[in-house]
Amino acid sequence: KAGVTQTPRYLIKTRGQQVTLSCSPISGHRSVSWYQQTPGQGLQFLFEYFSETQRNKGNFPGRFSGRQFSNSRSEMNVSTLELGDSALYLCASSPGQGVPDTQYFGPGTRLTVL
Amino acid sequence: GNSVTQMEGPVTLSEEAFLTINCTYTATGYPSLFWYVQYPGEGLQLLLKATKADDKGSNKGFEATYRKETTSFHLEKGSVQVSDSAVYFCALSPYSGSARQLTFGSGTQLTVLP
Repeated sequence: KAGVTQTPRYLIKTRGQQVTLSCSPISGHRSVSWYQQTPGQGLQFLFEYFSETQRNKGNFPGRFSGRQFSNSRSEMNVSTLELGDSALYLCASSPGQGVPDTQYFGPGTRLTVL
Repeated sequence: GNSVTQMEGPVTLSEEAFLTINCTYTATGYPSLFWYVQYPGEGLQLLLKATKADDKGSNKGFEATYRKETTSFHLEKGSVQVSDSAVYFCALSPYSGSARQLTFGSGTQLTVLP
């Protein structure tokens, strides 16, 4: 099976712009979660989507949003970019139900905000 | 809320040395516990997991035991190799048997010298 893929791998934006990141989960997985990794705050949970519905949300401002499509692919959007949004954004997929429910991470998208 | 406290790094060891990375957690209920590893430029890989008290997770010579009485999940390996050099993250999920909505520790950088 192919792993979790994220596009693009690297992105440079300027303050005030918006950005969309994409994540394709492992085939058959219905849950996609997003995490932000920064040197200062570490790894933080953004949100989780399951069957096109947001199932959980972390403590991030409304500028961070996401969605999931019927094929389980997910996108996250960050509007009005700030310098502090520079981070590695990781996506993880899992079956989403049943036990155990192991998450598999993609390689991440490195976002730099100038 | 949930939290994970992880041993501060960096940790530098000689090849074949014994490794311990301490991890303690705060959570209500019956969380699942994980160790993830991140190699340079890559996403997170699941190293091992434990879903209930007294479970021992093991993989590639690494072990960790879920201790509810001490709220700990320390990572150990009897003989480290240069290829084990990476950043190690302890994490918990509030959902029993699941890896959803992970809370991560700050990570421990391990360097193994030949």
